[in-house]
Amino acid sequence: AQSVAQPEDQVNVAEGNPLTVKCTYSVSGNPYLFWYVQYPNRGLQFLLKYITGDNLVKGSYGFEAEFNKSQTSFHLKKPSALVSDSALYFCAVRDRLGTSGSARQLTFGSGTQLTVLP
Amino acid sequence: DAGVTQSPTHLIKTRGQQVTLRCSPKSGHDTVSWYQQALGQGPQFIFQYYEEEERQRGNFPDRFSGHQFPNYSSELNVNALLLGDSALYLCASSLLDRPTEAFFGQGTRLTVV
Repeated sequence: AQSVAQPEDQVNVAEGNPLTVKCTYSVSGNPYLFWYVQYPNRGLQFLLKYITGDNLVKGSYGFEAEFNKSQTSFHLKKPSALVSDSALYFCAVRDRLGTSGSARQLTFGSGTQLTVLP
Repeated sequence: DAGVTQSPTHLIKTRGQQVTLRCSPKSGHDTVSWYQQALGQGPQFIFQYYEEEERQRGNFPDRFSGHQFPNYSSELNVNALLLGDSALYLCASSLLDRPTEAFFGQGTRLTVV
């Protein structure tokens, strides 16, 4: 079974400061890891993904995430937060077991509400 | 190129009724997955369709059923609606052999009263 934990329901940060949204995961094999953002009454927008290679992944809107296999973490980061970054952020995992079994589904965390204060 | 489109965007149903939600995948995609996102929670996997067959199912009762058509579009049906079925229902499309490139629709907000 695969699972994702986002330990913080809410993260507040001042505009211009760096932000971090935490995510840890559990899979039986090697993971594909994802971050999505959701604005009110909207679907999920893809931010970035880790497939293989460099542990630091860069994505949309200046976001990046660092894959840490030993800590089974994939924290989302941004050097300088904007008020417009305020949204709900979801970490997700998919097992790297081809196209069978649990690899068919994304498993999401419970989400972290990011609020960037002006 | 249109992305993933879902219809309707909102609907209200009465407990015990049946509902059908629709999804058109991104052009060229052959696989459709459905997720339920209850208020304050992350999306939860319902099932996935490929080649008009259900390929995998999450932990949902058989009141939840689906269908995929030859043009790859899909429907999600929920029978005997319960108040707890109120949620945002998300459709995601992808290619079966490229599972890391999934695109989500805007969702259908279902309210059961």
